[in-house]
Amino acid sequence: GNSVTQMEGPVTLSEEAFLTINCTYTATGYPSLFWYVQYPGEGLQLLLKATKADDKGSNKGFEATYRKETTSFHLEKGSVQVSDSAVYFCALSDNNDMRFGAGTRLTVKP
Amino acid sequence: DTGVSQNPRHKITKRGQNVTFRCDPISEHNRLYWYRQTLGQGPEFLTYFQNEAQLEKSRLLSDRFSAERPKGSFSTLEIQRTEQGDSAMYLCASSFDLGQAEAFFGQGTRLTVV
Repeated sequence: GNSVTQMEGPVTLSEEAFLTINCTYTATGYPSLFWYVQYPGEGLQLLLKATKADDKGSNKGFEATYRKETTSFHLEKGSVQVSDSAVYFCALSDNNDMRFGAGTRLTVKP
Repeated sequence: DTGVSQNPRHKITKRGQNVTFRCDPISEHNRLYWYRQTLGQGPEFLTYFQNEAQLEKSRLLSDRFSAERPKGSFSTLEIQRTEQGDSAMYLCASSFDLGQAEAFFGQGTRLTVV
């Protein structure tokens, strides 16, 4: 079945540091890939998505590229801010359902 | 339409009692998902509907759990004979009926079984 594996956290960075959160997936078909973010006390929100191989999703300075050859969708940001502190979830969706990784908690310190 | 709505937001119940949660999806969405999320974990898939048809159920969904979406609009998730291990956040999401469509989540219902 489909599954998503994320790098374990928590991740603690200083403001303006470079961020990478690794995500790899297993799927039988050609899923769409997503990053969701959950800020403290809030529900899950879509951060970015990519629907086919080599697509790059981007939003709020975050980027992720759909790599079919490595079955990966790593999240990156060049310069994180304190306001980026949240839990980040990688997810995949095919025609049947949507599966999530365990989440990676990011804390950004001033 | 203000998004996916879940009620109640919090529920405390005694072990052995039955509970029912409601989810109102975004009105144009024909897919509706239920997930369970425990502390420090990602959402675990429970079940999903396409219109009124329940198309997939996780093996996590024991026979004490049942979900319905009778008219293809709102959905209910019932847990019978609750156990302490059922304590979690129950999340509902909805989407269009496309593989690449994003899911929109509600705020969730936090269940505490005492």
